[in-house]
Amino acid sequence: EAGVTQFPSHSVIEKGQTVTLRCDPISGHDNLYWYRRVMGKEIKFLLHFVKESKQDESGMPNNRFLAERTGGTYSTLKVQPAELEDSGVYFCASSQQYQETQYFGPGTRLLVL
Amino acid sequence: QKEVEQDPGPLSVPEGAIVSLNCTYSNSAFQYFMWYRQYSRKGPELLMYTYSSGNKEDGRFTAQVDKSSKYISLFIRDSQPSDSATYLCAMSAPDDKIIFGKGTRLHILP
Repeated sequence: EAGVTQFPSHSVIEKGQTVTLRCDPISGHDNLYWYRRVMGKEIKFLLHFVKESKQDESGMPNNRFLAERTGGTYSTLKVQPAELEDSGVYFCASSQQYQETQYFGPGTRLLVL
Repeated sequence: QKEVEQDPGPLSVPEGAIVSLNCTYSNSAFQYFMWYRQYSRKGPELLMYTYSSGNKEDGRFTAQVDKSSKYISLFIRDSQPSDSATYLCAMSAPDDKIIFGKGTRLHILP
């Protein structure tokens, strides 16, 4: 069974540009989470989808971040316009309905110059 | 005070030694406790998951939770060079998001 996949693995962009990150969860997993780790800090929750609905988006830093999960399958996280402080590793995780165990993807390393 | 405190290390121990990794927390609502292992350039991988106080053993790994002291531990017996990684503690309250520690970098010296 394929795990959680994320694309791209790395992205280097300039301040002010737009970047879209993609996450493909494990097939059949209704729950999808986005996390971010800024250098030197802990992994922090961004938001949680249940199927296509946003269950909790309390961790989203500001309105420059937009997450979608159309159709309840893959999800995208768009940052527009990107700022220097958005640099970090963005992780996606998924889990089955009513299950606490989350499976993480390898992350997307974003560098904003 | 951060909700979850974890010494970032690095921690270096000789092969075969017992490793002890620890976290403290401040939120008494936390009921689910996890340990993740993360290799370089990879995502976190769930190692252990516990719900209550006490010990849980899985092979060479033992997770221990002391809710009265708000203290959790992960013990690794007969440590191997392949155990070298970053170990993250994580915890959550029911129906709430996971809070991670910063992670401890562990090096097992052959």
